Amino acid sequence: DTEVTQTPKHLVMGMTNKKSLKCEQHMGHRAMYWYKQKAKKPPELMFVYSYEKLSINESVPSRFSPECPNSSLLNLHLHALQPEDSALYLCASSHTGGNTEAFFGQGTRLTVV
Amino acid sequence: KNQVEQSPQSLIILEGKNCTLQCNYTVSPFSNLRWYKQDTGRGPVSLTIMTFSENTKSNGRYTATLDADTKQSSLHITASQLSDSASYICVVSARGTYKYIFGTGTRLKVLA
Repeated sequence: DTEVTQTPKHLVMGMTNKKSLKCEQHMGHRAMYWYKQKAKKPPELMFVYSYEKLSINESVPSRFSPECPNSSLLNLHLHALQPEDSALYLCASSHTGGNTEAFFGQGTRLTVV
Repeated sequence: KNQVEQSPQSLIILEGKNCTLQCNYTVSPFSNLRWYKQDTGRGPVSLTIMTFSENTKSNGRYTATLDADTKQSSLHITASQLSDSASYICVVSARGTYKYIFGTGTRLKVLA
């Protein structure tokens, strides 16, 4: 199984809503990542978890709150988002260290209205 | 500053033709370089990954080359198909870091 599964595929939420994005992998990877991608731009790193601990936070606003409940799951909790947060949110996983191949999920297309 | 630049930004070719995409990087210390294919609105899918000691790697009709001295890589697509229409992204890792440095991609359109 070389899949990273993200749910939901699409999400529309109001600026006062609270929602969560989910990511799951069963490849035994101990590094998991959240990226944000705007149209026609490369993905931008948001967070990295290594062994279920937050390793990197790229100065992401607190309205995005990551969580890694176990080695297979990664969540991104969303609250009080702005329309400019609308984007494709990608989850990825890899063996520990940036020196190995990263596998990406299919993404969640988020629209904030 | 660690950077990855790709050219061309976009490319249109006819089905069956070959094409070559370029990637130049200034990432140090270099660990590896990957090429990903990304369909619109989907996650990137890995095509190849190369370390410092590798200078060619193939995956079906895709062949990547790496020149670590000049810090250049290319992705050659042979006998293009309509399904090759996508963005191709070059991603470079620095050794000892979780950060992948993404290029801005080349948008390829294959026409019938």
